[in-house]
Amino acid sequence: QQQVKQSPQSLIVQKGGISIINCAYENTAFDYFPWYQQFPGKGPALLIAIRPDVSEKKEGRFTISFNKSAKQFSLHIMDSQPGDSATYFCAARNTGNQFYFGTGTSLTVIP
Amino acid sequence: DGGITQSPKYLFRKEGQNVTLSCEQNLNHDAMYWYRQDPGQGLRLIYYSQIVNDFQKGDIAEGYSVSREKKESFPLTVTSAQKNPTAFYLCASSISGQGAYEQYFGPGTRLTVT
Repeated sequence: QQQVKQSPQSLIVQKGGISIINCAYENTAFDYFPWYQQFPGKGPALLIAIRPDVSEKKEGRFTISFNKSAKQFSLHIMDSQPGDSATYFCAARNTGNQFYFGTGTSLTVIP
Repeated sequence: DGGITQSPKYLFRKEGQNVTLSCEQNLNHDAMYWYRQDPGQGLRLIYYSQIVNDFQKGDIAEGYSVSREKKESFPLTVTSAQKNPTAFYLCASSISGQGAYEQYFGPGTRLTVT
């Protein structure tokens, strides 16, 4: 059973466009929601994260929108660049410090 | 230079052989994790440890074993009982507790079993 559902599986965006990746969860005990960026052959690296008491967090071109009542959160990449081409994972952490990951979104930004 | 190291980067084994993947961290983190990554399936938790000499099974622990004798080390053994061991294995660590603590990942080990 997938604890965190992520969509779309792949995404192609023109340079300068907005990339949007969505995630949904069921477990209301999750208390921390990070997004990771992974390049081929590398380990994931934290991009941005949010706590459930906040509805939005912005860091540079990256924004997380969090809807607690709908149990959904999304990553928005503004002014997408070819260097943003990577796989993105959403995740959620439970109170036992265990992380659950989405299945990933492969983003391609076309120059 | 703080971080997580995994070795080797690539590992090849014959079917039926056990193999141990190394994971070391110098971040002074209490919690350590092992994930398996397969195309289209994201990261799946194999084992995790919140403290030395204690560890718990994740979602796909069958065919794997771990030990946590030292805070900085969390080796993973892929046994011959693991039916489909070829995958990319990622080790991670984090601070334990209820704060907004991120997981730090190692560079991964790609295991190929033929």
